[in-house]
Amino acid sequence: DTAVSQTPKYLVTQMGNDKSIKCEQNLGHDTMYWYKQDSKKFLKIMFSYNNKELIINETVPNRFSPKSPDKAHLNLHINSLELGDSAVYFCASSQNFQETQYFGPGTRLLVL
Amino acid sequence: GENVEQHPSTLSVQEGDSAVIKCTYSDSASNYFPWYKQELGKGPQLIIDIRSNVGEKKDQRIAVTLNKTAKHFSLHITETQPEDSAVYFCATPNSGYALNFGKGTSLLVTP
Repeated sequence: DTAVSQTPKYLVTQMGNDKSIKCEQNLGHDTMYWYKQDSKKFLKIMFSYNNKELIINETVPNRFSPKSPDKAHLNLHINSLELGDSAVYFCASSQNFQETQYFGPGTRLLVL
Repeated sequence: GENVEQHPSTLSVQEGDSAVIKCTYSDSASNYFPWYKQELGKGPQLIIDIRSNVGEKKDQRIAVTLNKTAKHFSLHITETQPEDSAVYFCATPNSGYALNFGKGTSLLVTP
């Protein structure tokens, strides 16, 4: 009965590879997000999706692309991985952006 | 996006003491101010939030105060316990339908 789930929990890969992280929420929320948390614990919004429409796209390289097959899923695709992409990536969802955001457990990405 | 400054970055208190974390924001139109707690190895979790129509909100040992004139809001934890040890984040909405988070405060409660 997990509210927001992410897979995989850990991801170790080589530079230049392409990888995907999956996210699913069973809360019936309209808005989903991807955040990046760096080694200093700073949480930065990457993408926000509302009813399958991209709302914002911060200064994120176009190697990162969110894909939402339906309202309950928001997957993150990363092409040509770089060392600086190593971080913890969190998916979250909320009914709207001024309501409680529920975070997934995070995906720890390490690029070698 | 709007800036939100959070202080201190680290805070160590003895069990039973109070802890206060403060955030300042720049957008006077902000009207929603949540606080999140992140335990080691987990995602952040909302612990309390306040909207601009009130100045204070309390939930057991946790309280949040808001000063809209000065554009700052604070988290107060009383009678701290070791399980309060975590990283705490304040946040404000940005114009793009998401939250801008502060840089976090690492709170350590020592027995």
